Amino acid sequence: KQEVTQIPAALSVPEGENLVLNCSFTDSAIYNLQWFRQDPGKGLTSLLLIQSSQREQTSGRLNASLDKSSGRSTLYIAASQPGDSATYLCAAYPRGGYNKLIFGAGTRLAVHP
Amino acid sequence: AAGVIQSPRHLIKEKRETATLKCYPIPRHDTVYWYQQGPGQDPQFLISFYEKMQSDKGSIPDRFSAQQFSDYHSELNMSSLELGDSALYFCASSPARLPSVDTQYFGPGTRLTVL
Repeated sequence: KQEVTQIPAALSVPEGENLVLNCSFTDSAIYNLQWFRQDPGKGLTSLLLIQSSQREQTSGRLNASLDKSSGRSTLYIAASQPGDSATYLCAAYPRGGYNKLIFGAGTRLAVHP
Repeated sequence: AAGVIQSPRHLIKEKRETATLKCYPIPRHDTVYWYQQGPGQDPQFLISFYEKMQSDKGSIPDRFSAQQFSDYHSELNMSSLELGDSALYFCASSPARLPSVDTQYFGPGTRLTVL
């Protein structure tokens, strides 16, 4: 059964720091991996989708990488800002799962001025 | 751009009552997913539909049922509500034509509170 783990569970940093959020999955047989942002009590905003054949995706200050052989993905946030404060969730598309997403518990990020 | 619409956004019910949540996917998306996110928890997959047929089923209680209609909107029906059903319910849609995989776009969620 696919399990997704995110480390750290919480992170508090000063503005301007470069950050790395980690996501690991137990079964390397995944299709894709998707990173989301969730503000408190709000919906899920898709940040990046890394397809099975890709190794990384970039959007603005965000860069996500995928290493299926080691069962890991990282989300890199450059020059963090207070507006980046949110919970970041990674989710895996397991093979044979008809596209249902398996989510990690998330990393709660606080960026202070 | 059009997004996934969910209604209602907030719903308060008493125990043992029934609730119906609605989801309107992005136009031309024929795949719909339902997820449940309890307080402080990650979203858990409930059920999905492709071309109006159930395509997959997760940890959905027998008290819950769902369907996708001819216009591709979907409804999640929840009966005999329990306190533990209080959660944020997300609907997502995707243009994916199974078995291919594509990005899921999430709606804002319906917050259900059972008193």
